[in-house]
Amino acid sequence: DAKTTQPNSMESNEEEPVHLPCNHSTISGTDYIHWYRQLPSQGPEYVIHGLTSNVNNRMASLAIAEDRKSSTLILHRATLRDAAVYYCILNYGGSQGNLIFGKGTKLSVKP
Amino acid sequence: DVKVTQSSRYLVKRTGEKVFLECVQDMDHENMFWYRQDPGLGLRLIYFSYDVKMKEKGDIPEGYSVSREKKERFSLILESASTNQTSMYLCASSESGTRQPQHFGDGTRLSIL
Repeated sequence: DAKTTQPNSMESNEEEPVHLPCNHSTISGTDYIHWYRQLPSQGPEYVIHGLTSNVNNRMASLAIAEDRKSSTLILHRATLRDAAVYYCILNYGGSQGNLIFGKGTKLSVKP
Repeated sequence: DVKVTQSSRYLVKRTGEKVFLECVQDMDHENMFWYRQDPGLGLRLIYFSYDVKMKEKGDIPEGYSVSREKKERFSLILESASTNQTSMYLCASSESGTRQPQHFGDGTRLSIL
């Protein structure tokens, strides 16, 4: 299975943009890129997903490199509520479409 | 917005008890999942259901069973609770297919004494 690599942690200031990187150099042509996040003491939350083109939704933007070997989740204005662990995954990983998380990036947001 | 509701946020039970965890989703999703999440072990799939009365074992089904009598409700049953089943239990739902976003409840933190 294709693997992803993310930094262990990042810091941001409130109301500034945050760019969370993910490397997936062994991605195949049919692999979708998915992002989830998990706030403390809560269940995971779907953020965004895409295949080739950049994607935007009300939560975030996903920028996908032209060769698809990397992607960046963009939070346009970080809030304290965005402090969470962010997971970048390809095609969920499990044989039954179940999620398999790596270590993710722990994002801290400073007031 | 999709809402997945788990019946309890916190639950304390005793060894040997039969424990029921309930999950309800309001988006008419075909797929429903039960996971447990433990520090250092990530998410592990217990059971999966892709339709009413249909179920598939996940990676760690031992000691658990499930019931899906109605499309919106997926129940996880611990037949005889043991201390190694102390964990955070997460229910999720998604549309049919294996690439659809999964929507999670807030989880039930279960302690078995």
